[in-house]
Amino acid sequence: DSGVTQTPKHLITATGQRVTLRCSPRSGDLSVYWYQQSLDQGLQFLIQYYNGEERAKGNILERFSAQQFPDLHSELNLSSLELGDSALYFCASSKGLAAYEQYFGPGTRLTVT
Amino acid sequence: QKEVEQDPGPLSVPEGAIVSLNCTYSNSAFQYFMWYRQYSRKGPELLMYTYSSGNKEDGRFTAQVDKSSKYISLFIRDSQPSDSATYLCAMSSAGGTSYGKLTFGQGTILTVHP
Repeated sequence: DSGVTQTPKHLITATGQRVTLRCSPRSGDLSVYWYQQSLDQGLQFLIQYYNGEERAKGNILERFSAQQFPDLHSELNLSSLELGDSALYFCASSKGLAAYEQYFGPGTRLTVT
Repeated sequence: QKEVEQDPGPLSVPEGAIVSLNCTYSNSAFQYFMWYRQYSRKGPELLMYTYSSGNKEDGRFTAQVDKSSKYISLFIRDSQPSDSATYLCAMSSAGGTSYGKLTFGQGTILTVHP
């Protein structure tokens, strides 16, 4: 158990809908990262927040947004969902700004029908 | 061309074998090199990380980085069936706007059979 928690574990929704994925980092970690994992693209970095501020951005779609709250938990919002958004979404956390030594949560499996 | 290339395998070895997993990369800004293990339908688990070139050993696992060749390796000694998983290499720079970004290889599927 990495200490990173994610909810829900599974999510099934229809195209055009909006969903929110939630992540709680390990105790003491200030950075939260979001990743998308699909069979064809592999594990892709989406965005990093550090102590409530956005710090690094990957190939995150404009339909996706994230935030980190004062208690350091984070939410990833996915809107106008398309079939191609079906994937595993992982949250990771680390103590500082640097990307090494990230610890991953168990993931949320999103299925868009 | 992807920044990080990793042979997806699959790789099948007998129990007790030495396993060699490799990645190549093109971005010379990468300074941190990580290996993650991912079991089916689970989150990636950090095995070890290395800064810059050199070797690092942790139990049965040894990571090697050759920055001159842009090539990294993970060796697993005395492999066990419980080592069967997907192994992902990941890399990051040491500063700049991409400081917080990990770039992953596609992963190598490893099966260790008894």
